Amino acid sequence: TQLLEQSPQFLSIQEGENLTVYCNSSSVFSSLQWYRQEPGEGPVLLVTVVTGGEVKKLKRLTFQFGDARKDSSLHITAAQTGDTGLYLCAGDTGTASKLTFGTGTRLQVTL
Amino acid sequence: DSGVTQTPKHLITATGQRVTLRCSPRSGDLSVYWYQQSLDQGLQFLIQYYNGEERAKGNILERFSAQQFPDLHSELNLSSLELGDSALYFCASSPRTGQSGEQYFGPGTRLTVT
Repeated sequence: TQLLEQSPQFLSIQEGENLTVYCNSSSVFSSLQWYRQEPGEGPVLLVTVVTGGEVKKLKRLTFQFGDARKDSSLHITAAQTGDTGLYLCAGDTGTASKLTFGTGTRLQVTL
Repeated sequence: DSGVTQTPKHLITATGQRVTLRCSPRSGDLSVYWYQQSLDQGLQFLIQYYNGEERAKGNILERFSAQQFPDLHSELNLSSLELGDSALYFCASSPRTGQSGEQYFGPGTRLTVT
């Protein structure tokens, strides 16, 4: 069973702070996605990374795929209250027809 | 708006009953995935259909079944409901063939079993 462990599980910070969320596995993924989910709503796709070592930026969010394609990180610069939500990473092994979702990181950004 | 629609938004029913959840994928997407999300279990993959055929199965109970119709909409049937089936059920769609790749999620159906 492939597992994607995310850390930290919970994070409570003030607006303006920086943070990093980690997603780790012992499995190699052909691609990895990051989603954000707000309470009572479906996960929303933020980014897909496919190449080992790849870095993608989405405004204040920076995503990195590990060189070995087993891990990924999400860095948020100058967090805003609108960044509050559940962040999920999800890996695609390329051989199975399903994504493996991480355990999730719940982020709360306060004023 | 992801383009994936799910109905109903909320469903309250009693133990032992049967319900049907409906999903319409994004225009052009051939793959539909069903997930269950509960507080203590995270997002659990249930089943995938691709162009009308079952493609992959996850942690789906025998009391649950799904199908995808020729117009590509999908239904998830839950029967002999138990209290533990209370959860959010999400449908997602993807254009990829044979690989999950990027998935686009619907708003979910919140099922409450009393």
